[in-house]
Amino acid sequence: QVQLQQPGAELVRPGASVRLSCKASGYSFTTYWMNWVKQRPGQGLEWIGMIHPSDSETRLNQKFKDKATLTVDKSSSTAYMQLSSPTSEDSAVYFCSRHYYDYDWFAYWGQGTLVTVSA
Amino acid sequence: EIVLIQSPATMAASPGEKITITCSASSSISSNYLHWYQQKPGFSPKLLIYRTSNLASGVPARFSGSGSGTSYSLTIGTMEAEDVATYYCQQGSSIPFTFGSGTKLEIK
Repeated sequence: QVQLQQPGAELVRPGASVRLSCKASGYSFTTYWMNWVKQRPGQGLEWIGMIHPSDSETRLNQKFKDKATLTVDKSSSTAYMQLSSPTSEDSAVYFCSRHYYDYDWFAYWGQGTLVTVSA
Repeated sequence: EIVLIQSPATMAASPGEKITITCSASSSISSNYLHWYQQKPGFSPKLLIYRTSNLASGVPARFSGSGSGTSYSLTIGTMEAEDVATYYCQQGSSIPFTFGSGTKLEIK
């Protein structure tokens, strides 16, 4: 079955970049787009962007163009999102999520990584 | 960007009560591109309904969805305690994909 594994938490100092991981299993990693979604404490869901692992084509929400960089490692079936110069506004849970085949709804979700930006 | 506004933001329902949540889009969306999720505290969102009215696998039949154009709704036919959660609509019609503002459903 499709599984997306994410670390539970990351503590990062303000201004120091952090790379979040999402290890996929149970399907062909290079076939489907991988998405990233942000959720601040007590707030709603915000789509950051998506990457196609076959060729690393990326589509980003312009709001995050200077904040998030999406990459993949095909050899380990892992997607990554790097957050640059994090501030308190970046403290949130970050989910990776996969579409249902090539459709546009999010059928599979990781457990989320809680990122805390603190000195 | 397509903005999705949900109402109400918060509501409480008694067991057995019928509830309806609405999702209003800032521009028209094909019904093929409007979906609903349920998120319980401390958990990831879970797909509930895709393409406006299709139940995801394992979702109880008391959930249903309808709508077209800029107005969509999620209905729970008879409220149960396990339905306590926050519900989000989502559009996949255009990038950036966007989610609704969320509706927190509590039990009386």
